[in-house]
Amino acid sequence: NFVLTQPHSVSESPGETVTISCTGSGGSIDSNYVQWYQQRPGSAPTTVIYEDSQRPSGVPDRFSGSIDSSSNSALLTISGLKTEDEGDYYCQSYHSRVHPSPVFGGGTQLTVL
Amino acid sequence: QVQLVESGGGLVKPGGSLRLTCAASGFTFSNYYMSWIRQAPGKGLESISYISSGRDYTFYADSVKGRFTISRDNANNVLYLQMHSLRADDSAVYYCARDFEGRYASGWQFWGQGTQVTVSS
Repeated sequence: NFVLTQPHSVSESPGETVTISCTGSGGSIDSNYVQWYQQRPGSAPTTVIYEDSQRPSGVPDRFSGSIDSSSNSALLTISGLKTEDEGDYYCQSYHSRVHPSPVFGGGTQLTVL
Repeated sequence: QVQLVESGGGLVKPGGSLRLTCAASGFTFSNYYMSWIRQAPGKGLESISYISSGRDYTFYADSVKGRFTISRDNANNVLYLQMHSLRADDSAVYYCARDFEGRYASGWQFWGQGTQVTVSS
């Protein structure tokens, strides 16, 4: 079973840069695309990164995604942090590609203080 | 603009049934895979089911297999989730979501606002 593990929480100051990791186990992180979703309190999730590093239209370029094969991890980096970036961030990928079985990481709570 | 509007949630007793609906607009519904994703109170996201654009393939998470059925009406741009034998651990906000255009296994581009399902006696 492919499992994605995220840190429970991270915090950083406004204007700084934070990186959230998503480590795969039971498979290779680069076998399928990784997505990242932001969920502000009381709201539905929105997509900030898809296909490892692509930003949907409307997502600022302060958000970037990458894959670190050496640690079997996907990384979400947010630069120039703003208080509006606070919320939960979830990584997501798949067990397989033929009939993909989606899997989520447990989520990381980002605090901007 | 793309809109996904869920409805049909509510309070239901254990063992009961409920049908969720997702009304889609702003895009050619029949061209996209559609999914249901849920979030239990204070918990993370769980993808529970999806259906191919032509209805020829469906996926179910083990947690709902045999109890939930996903379907779609491409003529009327509606996605359904029929839920039977509901349990307390099915209590969650249920989101409808749409894939990215022309992409495969690339996550979801658009999400609805969700509908709350509470299973309690």
